[in-house]
Amino acid sequence: DIQMTQSPSSLSASVGDRVTITCQASQDISNYLNWYQQKPGKAPKLLIYDASNLETGVPSRFSGSGSGTDFTFTISSLQPEDIATYYCQHYDNLLFFTFGPGTKVDIK
Amino acid sequence: QLQLQESGPGLVKPSETLSLTCTVSGGSISSHSYYWGWIRQPPGKGLEWIGSIYYSGSTDYNPSLQSRLTISVDTSKNQFSLKLTSVTAADTAVYFCARLTPGSGDGYTYDYWGQGTLVTVSS
Repeated sequence: DIQMTQSPSSLSASVGDRVTITCQASQDISNYLNWYQQKPGKAPKLLIYDASNLETGVPSRFSGSGSGTDFTFTISSLQPEDIATYYCQHYDNLLFFTFGPGTKVDIK
Repeated sequence: QLQLQESGPGLVKPSETLSLTCTVSGGSISSHSYYWGWIRQPPGKGLEWIGSIYYSGSTDYNPSLQSRLTISVDTSKNQFSLKLTSVTAADTAVYFCARLTPGSGDGYTYDYWGQGTLVTVSS
């Protein structure tokens, strides 16, 4: 089974800061990785698909990069409405899905 | 606008069967383009993929749940359902239904989600 790890598990940053979250797979997953944002009490929202593609309607301050085993999710300028937990998600060619443990982002 | 809505009992006794239904509106569950899935989230914890189904009835299940899990589809009602047998307190979670969409390449994303429903397993 492929395991997904994320770091950090939580972070606190100021408005306007650049925020970076990493996601690591236990083996090569190519670019089969999505990023979701989940606000408290809400369903997750797709932000980035296939590692680096911005979902339609998502602000351009969100971005993703990486391939193979190491992936990065970045918020270029943190906004108050970005307070949420962020999850990476791997999918394979059998349509099995694995979520990372999540990174909670707060405002300092 | 596509909408998904979970429904079912909020309380299930240990060893019994958890049953939930997701009703899809604003689009057809029989579309050849999409799969439909279930994801759960224990209180205060992360997301766990449960499984997916195609309108034809073809399914993919999380191996850790497969022995207890059945996902089915009713195209006449535009619904799909989840049954999880022999539940324990560890199955207490918010259960989400979602649409699984293929991308331009080999990718798949869960792009539309229901609001989620809390199911508590307790006597």
